[in-house]
Amino acid sequence: EVQLAESGGGLVQPGGSLRLSCAASGFTFSNYWISWVRQAPGKGLEWVANIKHDGSEKYFVDSVKGRFTLSRDNPKNSVYLQMDSLRAEDTAVYYCARDMWPNWYFDLWGRGTLVTVSS
Amino acid sequence: DIQMTQSPSSLSASVGDRVTITCRASQSIYSNLNWYQQKPGKAPMLLIYAASRLQSGVPSRFSGSGSGTDFTLTISSLQPEDFAMYFCQQSYSTVRTFGQGTKVDIK
Repeated sequence: EVQLAESGGGLVQPGGSLRLSCAASGFTFSNYWISWVRQAPGKGLEWVANIKHDGSEKYFVDSVKGRFTLSRDNPKNSVYLQMDSLRAEDTAVYYCARDMWPNWYFDLWGRGTLVTVSS
Repeated sequence: DIQMTQSPSSLSASVGDRVTITCRASQSIYSNLNWYQQKPGKAPMLLIYAASRLQSGVPSRFSGSGSGTDFTLTISSLQPEDFAMYFCQQSYSTVRTFGQGTKVDIK
């Protein structure tokens, strides 16, 4: 089955760190860009970052630049979002999504993992 | 960043109704516009990409149109499973942005 599955969410104090993982199955992972999209409770969707199929390019929304980093391990079919210096406003469900070039739409989504930043 | 504004924010409709949701971009995005449906507690699902291309497996009652700054998602005959949130998203710029969403609920 073609799918993405996020893990690693949880409760963290402000200023803390968390690493999210996105595991892919059922398709040739190394051919695709992957994005992270988040959704604060009861709010809309916000694109966070994406990474090229070979990891050579990465892009971030301004609000997480310098705090979040992205990496991928193609042999393990996984992408990792390292989140440092977390703030209350980072509280959200984080989804990973397959990012389809050249029209740049998200055609496959994981179920999401909840990150709560609170003391 | 490109701002995306959807209208209305919510609407009430009946099964069988024709429903139209609009999305306006703060600058021209050509045809780089996608539509998603999201049900409570679930991940979004792609409906339309490149403004008017129907994603595989999506019912043909969904259609998209527009280019430049103004776009429309139309549901030709609303079905019970269509009551959900709908989001537009621009893919013209590196920083993708979404509309605030439109909630479609039962009248």
